[in-house]
Amino acid sequence: KNEVEQSPQNLTAQEGEFITINCSYSVGISALHWLQQHPGGGIVSLFMLSSGKKKHGRLIATINIQEKHSSLHITASHPRDSAVYICAVSLGSNYQLIWGAGTKLIIKP
Amino acid sequence: NAGVMQNPRHLVRRRGQEARLRCSPMKGHSHVYWYRQLPEEGLKFMVYLQKENIIDESGMPKERFSAEFPKEGPSILRIQQVVRGDSAAYFCASSPPGLAKETQYFGPGTRLLVL
Repeated sequence: KNEVEQSPQNLTAQEGEFITINCSYSVGISALHWLQQHPGGGIVSLFMLSSGKKKHGRLIATINIQEKHSSLHITASHPRDSAVYICAVSLGSNYQLIWGAGTKLIIKP
Repeated sequence: NAGVMQNPRHLVRRRGQEARLRCSPMKGHSHVYWYRQLPEEGLKFMVYLQKENIIDESGMPKERFSAEFPKEGPSILRIQQVVRGDSAAYFCASSPPGLAKETQYFGPGTRLLVL
């Protein structure tokens, strides 16, 4: 079993829909990261969080430390949100990130 | 404040040649990390460097791969005698000094194709 599990693996939705991507982990962590990778493009760090909730524009990330679970939400989704969204965790002072497999999101106009 | 910069963005090499990948961290950042993403796979940690020091190279292949982060200039990931299996995207990330090691900022990546 992977230490970081993401669901769903693939998600196709219509423009305007509310999107939720989930991440569960099985280890004690110090921080959880959400990143975005566009096709053929680089990686953008969206959020780093260790508790509670963060919001940036139409993106919201939440984490529940007790349940070892995090969600990434996208409100009013748009085709330009189409990308792979990756969850990664860091352990204590370990700078190495443990990566989830990613969720491929396609938003249709 | 420019982000993490990597060059070249795309690099084509023939088997046996050398590949040099460059990473300029964000201004003020003193930690650099290199990751490799093989086709259809997730990112794998390769090496963590601070200025003039290799802190952890546990993810580096034992042969042909080396990395440096000199006092002046960018960090360099060097692959000697490349083989087709080295074809991948190589990402660099940087973080500021002190306790904020986990706040990694990623560069756009260098896509290496070995013919």
